[in-house]
Amino acid sequence: RKEVEQDPGPFNVPEGATVAFNCTYSNSASQSFFWYRQDCRKEPKLLMSVYSSGNEDGRFTAQLNRASQYISLLIRDSKLSDSATYLCVVNKHSGYALNFGKGTSLLVTP
Amino acid sequence: NAGVTQTPKFQVLKTGQSMTLQCAQDMNHEYMSWYRQDPGMGLRLIHYSVGAGITDQGEVPNGYNVSRSTTEDFPLRLLSAAPSQTSVYFCASSYSGTNYEQYFGPGTRLTVT
Repeated sequence: RKEVEQDPGPFNVPEGATVAFNCTYSNSASQSFFWYRQDCRKEPKLLMSVYSSGNEDGRFTAQLNRASQYISLLIRDSKLSDSATYLCVVNKHSGYALNFGKGTSLLVTP
Repeated sequence: NAGVTQTPKFQVLKTGQSMTLQCAQDMNHEYMSWYRQDPGMGLRLIHYSVGAGITDQGEVPNGYNVSRSTTEDFPLRLLSAAPSQTSVYFCASSYSGTNYEQYFGPGTRLTVT
């Protein structure tokens, strides 16, 4: 089983739609969870950290299910500017090194 | 505050040549790392450092060397370039601690012919 698995998509949604991405991870000892965003040919940037109780940042909601080793990202009221690749990221068992999923591609259309 | 800077932005090498990719950060971050990103593979960790004088291998270290003589700089050396090292290389840094955001540089696009 890969350490972090994501549906690669692409997800094509109209503006205003709600879209959800899922991610599973294999290391039950992982402690830190993130969603990063990567625009085409650019560096990854942190979108949000994911906390055990779930957390929200504007139109973005992240959930963590430790028992199922599952992370989700919900984007409400999608904007054209949300078009990007979304990377699920989990820290490795020890230290600060990160495991990246391959990313889920989102295209928001007018 | 420039954040994480990488040079060069683009590089073409011939097989067997060596070179150093530069990475610097001005945020006084203890942790620095190098990743490579290949199509369909996601980002993979090459080497990382938790402070000056301390480095360790990631999941794909073969063919690369690193050193960390200062907090600010973390160069990545390709010893003898191979076509399999054609990739986009990202340097990242963060404060120590697993919950801190990692900041990425803009990347170096390397082609080995």
